[in-house]
Amino acid sequence: DGGITQSPKYLFRKEGQNVTLSCEQNLNHDAMYWYRQDPGQGLRLIYYSQIVNDFQKGDIAEGYSVSREKKESFPLTVTSAQKNPTAFYLCASTARWVTEAFFGQGTRLTVV
Amino acid sequence: GDSVTQMEGPVTLSEEAFLTINCTYTATGYPSLFWYVQYPGEGLQLLLKATKADDKGSNKGFEATYRKETTSFHLEKGSVQVSDSAVYFCASSYGGSQGNLIFGKGTKLSVKP
Repeated sequence: DGGITQSPKYLFRKEGQNVTLSCEQNLNHDAMYWYRQDPGQGLRLIYYSQIVNDFQKGDIAEGYSVSREKKESFPLTVTSAQKNPTAFYLCASTARWVTEAFFGQGTRLTVV
Repeated sequence: GDSVTQMEGPVTLSEEAFLTINCTYTATGYPSLFWYVQYPGEGLQLLLKATKADDKGSNKGFEATYRKETTSFHLEKGSVQVSDSAVYFCASSYGGSQGNLIFGKGTKLSVKP
C-alpha cells in the first residue's frame, strides 16, 4: 500500500545533540512538508519542498534543517540550536496541484 | 496574514447527539478548506474538503459548507458515535499548493456512550 512512513515513532534526545527524523513516501508525490505539533497550538510548518534539491523555510524553521536528495525522502534534522524541541513531528506530502495532503503517523521527540 | 480560528474544546457529547465545530478563516485569496481528524497517537487524516465557495464537503456523516460571505467552514454531524472521539482540525490552503496548510488549534471531541 502507498503511504508515508515516519521513523522512529518515539525518539529521545539528550540536550545538545542533533537528531534526524526520517520521512519516506511511495506515493510518487512531488511536494513534502514537515509540521510541528504542540498541545493547544495546532500544527506549524517547519520546512517544505516542492521538488528534489529544493526546499523553503516555513514559519518556524530556526533550529531545523532538511534535505531533499530523492523524491521519496525528506529527512528533518533537529539541531542543538532548537531551544524547545520536544514535540510531535508530522511529515506530509502532496501531488502537484492536487488538493489532498497525506500525513505520516508522526514522530514524538522528547529531550531528556 | 492568513489564519484559521476554530472553537476551543474539549467538546463532550452523548452518543447520537448533534455536533457542530465552528471554524472561520481569514485569507487574502480564495483558499481551499479542509477538515482533518487525528486519533490518539496518530497522524492526520483528511475528513472532507471544499475548494470553492458554496461547495459542501461530506464524508462518514460529517458535512461542512464553504461560506465565503461569512468566511466559515463549520463541521457538522447529525448523530455522533463513540468512534468519532478524536481531535478535529480545520485548515486552509495558501501559496498555490494544497500542502501549504494553515491549521486551527484543534478541537478535541469526546463522545460518551
